[in-house]
Amino acid sequence: QKEVEQDPGPLSVPEGAIVSLNCTYSNSAFQYFMWYRQYSRKGPELLMYTYSSGNKEDGRFTAQVDKSSKYISLFIRDSQPSDSATYLCAMKGAWNNFNKFYFGSGTKLNVKP
Amino acid sequence: NAGVTQTPKFQVLKTGQSMTLQCAQDMNHEYMSWYRQDPGMGLRLIHYSVGAGITDQGEVPNGYNVSRSTTEDFPLRLLSAAPSQTSVYFCASSYLEATEAFFGQGTRLTVV
Repeated sequence: QKEVEQDPGPLSVPEGAIVSLNCTYSNSAFQYFMWYRQYSRKGPELLMYTYSSGNKEDGRFTAQVDKSSKYISLFIRDSQPSDSATYLCAMKGAWNNFNKFYFGSGTKLNVKP
Repeated sequence: NAGVTQTPKFQVLKTGQSMTLQCAQDMNHEYMSWYRQDPGMGLRLIHYSVGAGITDQGEVPNGYNVSRSTTEDFPLRLLSAAPSQTSVYFCASSYLEATEAFFGQGTRLTVV
């Protein structure tokens, strides 16, 4: 079983829709939860991160972490065609001095005008 | 500030050839890593380093070697290229314990 599981999609939505992207994980020692965005033929870039459980909002983006369920989500409100990209969740934990990132496989999102 | 620079951007190799993918960062990051990205497989960690002279294996290390003689550089060597190594390779760097990893633009490698 992979440490981090993510539905690869693709996910296609109309402009203005609310998008929900999700990851599950198996290691309860993960403490930092991140979302990276990757445009076609580019390297991933950090979108936002959350420490431990709870919510974090940044503009149209909201990250949620539910450690009891080992489940994290990224919500995109009022989605735009420019949000079309692959979204990867990533996690880090204390047992290895927070050195390694554990990535999900990525969900490809297409926002149609 | 160039960030993470990978060269080359594209490469075609014949089976059995060897080559080195270059990665350099100018942010004084301790942690550097190599990933390969294949459709449906996400980012898979090949090798990583937590500082000069220290390297370790990741999830898929077979067929690849690394060394870290300086903080700035972390080359990835393909010893004897195989078609299964056709992939997009990303180098990334970060401070230890950081939540943000900085990625290069990637190297698209095709082995024929």
